[in-house]
Amino acid sequence: GNSVTQMEGPVTLSEEAFLTINCTYTATGYPSLFWYVQYPGEGLQLLLKATKADDKGSNKGFEATYRKETTSFHLEKGSVQVSDSAVYFCALNGGATNKLIFGTGTLLAVQP
Amino acid sequence: DAMVIQNPRYQVTQFGKPVTLSCSQTLNHNVMYWYQQKSSQAPKLLFHYYDKDFNNEADTPDNFQSRRPNTSFCFLDIRSPGLGDAAMYLCATSSRLAGGDDTQYFGPGTRLTVL
Repeated sequence: GNSVTQMEGPVTLSEEAFLTINCTYTATGYPSLFWYVQYPGEGLQLLLKATKADDKGSNKGFEATYRKETTSFHLEKGSVQVSDSAVYFCALNGGATNKLIFGTGTLLAVQP
Repeated sequence: DAMVIQNPRYQVTQFGKPVTLSCSQTLNHNVMYWYQQKSSQAPKLLFHYYDKDFNNEADTPDNFQSRRPNTSFCFLDIRSPGLGDAAMYLCATSSRLAGGDDTQYFGPGTRLTVL
């Protein structure tokens, strides 16, 4: 079945450091891939998405490229800020029922 | 701005006392979802509506019910809340189930406390 594997957290970085959060997936067909961000006490916000191989999603300085050959969708940002501290979820949607399959989430803590 | 709205943001109920959570959307989306999220975990899909068609996940307890009286509103009813039902409840919408823009957009959530 479909699944998402996401790197364990917490990830602790200093402000302006480079961020990578790894995400790999297993799926049949050609799923859409998403990164959602959840700030404390809030719902999930769509950060970026990609719908086909080699697509790059980007938003607010974050980027992720849909790599079918490595079944990956790693999240990157060149220079993190304290305000980026949150939980990041990688997810895929590959079924007819549009059920999102989430990774376990990665807590990012950015220190000034 | 088009959005997904959840009310209330915080709900306290007593063990066994029925509670209803509300979700509304101005996106005019066909599909509405309810997720349960417990602390430090990923959201878990409870059920969804595609228009008026209700689709329950196989492992959703009978204690959880849902109503969708019109396109804009969807309710989550917990008939007899137990302590294990304390969680964040998230509503999401999408324009369609598959193909095209199937992105799900989430509301801010309702934090349910069971005393």
